[in-house]
Amino acid sequence: DIQMTQSPSSLSASVGDRVTITCRASQGISSYLAWYQQKPGKVPKLLIYAASTLQSGVPSRFSGSGSGTDFTLTISSLQPEDVATYYCQKYNSAPFTFGPGTKVDIK
Amino acid sequence: QEQLVQSGSELKKPGASVKISCKASGYTFTTFAMNWVRQAPGQGLEWMGWINTNTGNPTYAQGFTGRFVFSLDTSVSTAYLQISRLKAEDTAMYYCAKSFATWNDAESWFDPWGQGTLVTVSS
Repeated sequence: DIQMTQSPSSLSASVGDRVTITCRASQGISSYLAWYQQKPGKVPKLLIYAASTLQSGVPSRFSGSGSGTDFTLTISSLQPEDVATYYCQKYNSAPFTFGPGTKVDIK
Repeated sequence: QEQLVQSGSELKKPGASVKISCKASGYTFTTFAMNWVRQAPGQGLEWMGWINTNTGNPTYAQGFTGRFVFSLDTSVSTAYLQISRLKAEDTAMYYCAKSFATWNDAESWFDPWGQGTLVTVSS
């Protein structure tokens, strides 16, 4: 099975900072990658699908890029409401594995 | 709008069984695959598998065979997750999540998600 890794596992940044999270697949998955945001105590929320397509209603400060094995989620200007854990997920074929998550908080 | 509403929290003793429901609304239930995702306390998201809502055929991820059963009642647009012979390590939040793509194409992102059902296994 394809394994998903994320780095860093956690980060602390200041409001207004640019934040980048990396997701790596152990084998190529084309652009079959989604990103989810899970705020503390809340349900995961879809941010990005097909590696770079922003879900409707998601602020434009979020963006995704990559294909094959390497992907990034970027928050262009971190806001207090972005404190959350971010997960990538492959969906090219089952199992639809999630990455281990990256916890983002405010410095 | 599309919505998934799950049943309430459960407190069970080890060895018991639990059945969680996930009621869908706002879309044609039998057109979209349904997934189940587990999140143990303080841990990440773990995909458990999916069920074809048209045929009822389930697919289980490794680690979720034997004690876990996905089922449907299409007459009430509801998916179920049953866990038997509960263990302490089954304590977790369980989410249902709809695959986005039509025609029960499971190879798709998940949206929306149910609100989650907390299952606590304790003697």
